[in-house]
Amino acid sequence: DAGVIQSPRHEVTEMGQEVTLRCKPISGHDYLFWYRQTMMRGLELLIYFNNNVPIDDSGMPEDRFSAKMPNASFSTLKIQPSEPRDSAVYFCASSSSDRGLPKAFFGQGTRLTVV
Amino acid sequence: GDSVTQMEGPVTLSEEAFLTINCTYTATGYPSLFWYVQYPGEGLQLLLKATKADDKGSNKGFEATYRKETTSFHLEKGSVQVSDSAVYFCALITYSSASKIIFGSGTRLSIRP
Repeated sequence: DAGVIQSPRHEVTEMGQEVTLRCKPISGHDYLFWYRQTMMRGLELLIYFNNNVPIDDSGMPEDRFSAKMPNASFSTLKIQPSEPRDSAVYFCASSSSDRGLPKAFFGQGTRLTVV
Repeated sequence: GDSVTQMEGPVTLSEEAFLTINCTYTATGYPSLFWYVQYPGEGLQLLLKATKADDKGSNKGFEATYRKETTSFHLEKGSVQVSDSAVYFCALITYSSASKIIFGSGTRLSIRP
């Protein structure tokens, strides 16, 4: 298995533009997580899905952020409009509740810079 | 709510020194505990885990013991190497919180040659 795949690896965009981050979880995993990492706040859970259904989006900072999981193999995190303070590394992770112990596997992250 | 508290960094040690990174938790129910490591420019990797009291997780010379009485899961290594320089995250999962993974703030470790 290739692991969790995120794209793009790096994104530079201008303030006000729409940004879409993509994630392909590990096949067979039923949980998908989106995290944001910054120097100031560390690792923050934004939202997570179970069987493609959003379970907890209380970490999503504002209405400008939205996430979807149209099927078990794909999820997107969209920021519209983007702002400089959204600059961070965004990680996607997936895990499986099968066999009793969930373990999260992380993608390489997308480094977003909003100028 | 459930939470993880770990020692603030950065931690700077000389090569071959003994390492301890403290981690304590608060959780309803019976959590599983994890240490993740993030090397520069990479995502998080699972380092070790423990699922019940007194379990000891170990990997790459690192160890952590699940202490229910002190609600702790401290990370230790007897002799660190320069290649251990990274950010270390303590984390927990409780089924009562619908399998949400909760992370500590991370501890940056730098090892001097």
